[in-house]
Amino acid sequence: AQSVAQPEDQVNVAEGNPLTVKCTYSVSGNPYLFWYVQYPNRGLQFLLKYITGDNLVKGSYGFEAEFNKSQTSFHLKKPSALVSDSALYFCAVRDGGSSYKLIFGSGTRLLVRP
Amino acid sequence: DTAVSQTPKYLVTQMGNDKSIKCEQNLGHDTMYWYKQDSKKFLKIMFSYNNKELIINETVPNRFSPKSPDKAHLNLHINSLELGDSAVYFCASSQGSGGAGEQFFGPGTRLTVL
Repeated sequence: AQSVAQPEDQVNVAEGNPLTVKCTYSVSGNPYLFWYVQYPNRGLQFLLKYITGDNLVKGSYGFEAEFNKSQTSFHLKKPSALVSDSALYFCAVRDGGSSYKLIFGSGTRLLVRP
Repeated sequence: DTAVSQTPKYLVTQMGNDKSIKCEQNLGHDTMYWYKQDSKKFLKIMFSYNNKELIINETVPNRFSPKSPDKAHLNLHINSLELGDSAVYFCASSQGSGGAGEQFFGPGTRLTVL
């Protein structure tokens, strides 16, 4: 069965430090991988995706993610965190059995302290 | 503004009532979705329509019925509301076949069943 795991409920980082939010996946076939961010009382916003090509994907607000096929991971990274990055981050993978169905991870709350 | 919009933003109602949530997108997308986000922020797909055709119908009680009058609209009707239906419901849309297109989310409808 397709699945995606975000092993950390919360990640704490100081402003200016690099951040990593972890995501691992399990799908049949080639994965389509996505990262979304949710600010309080808002809908999800798309950050970036990996479909094919370069394993390092760059997205919105200075975020990037690295696709690692051997480790089945798609970790979200940012070189220098901002307090305004504090939010809930979701990793998602396309279900190999359905072209349109996304399976979301449980979410990781990122807290950037000043 | 181009976006995915939902009405109402908040819905408070009594058990046993019937209610509807409306969604509209003006992005020209061909696929729309309904998601449910529970109190633990877990996000789960409920339904999806592609060009007005139902393509995803997850294990959802029959009390929930989606309706897509055209490609730009996807409504959700809920009969005989129960306490467990309390959640935030998100509408989303995407464009492109193969699941590669990112999904754009509406602001959500917070349903509270008393």
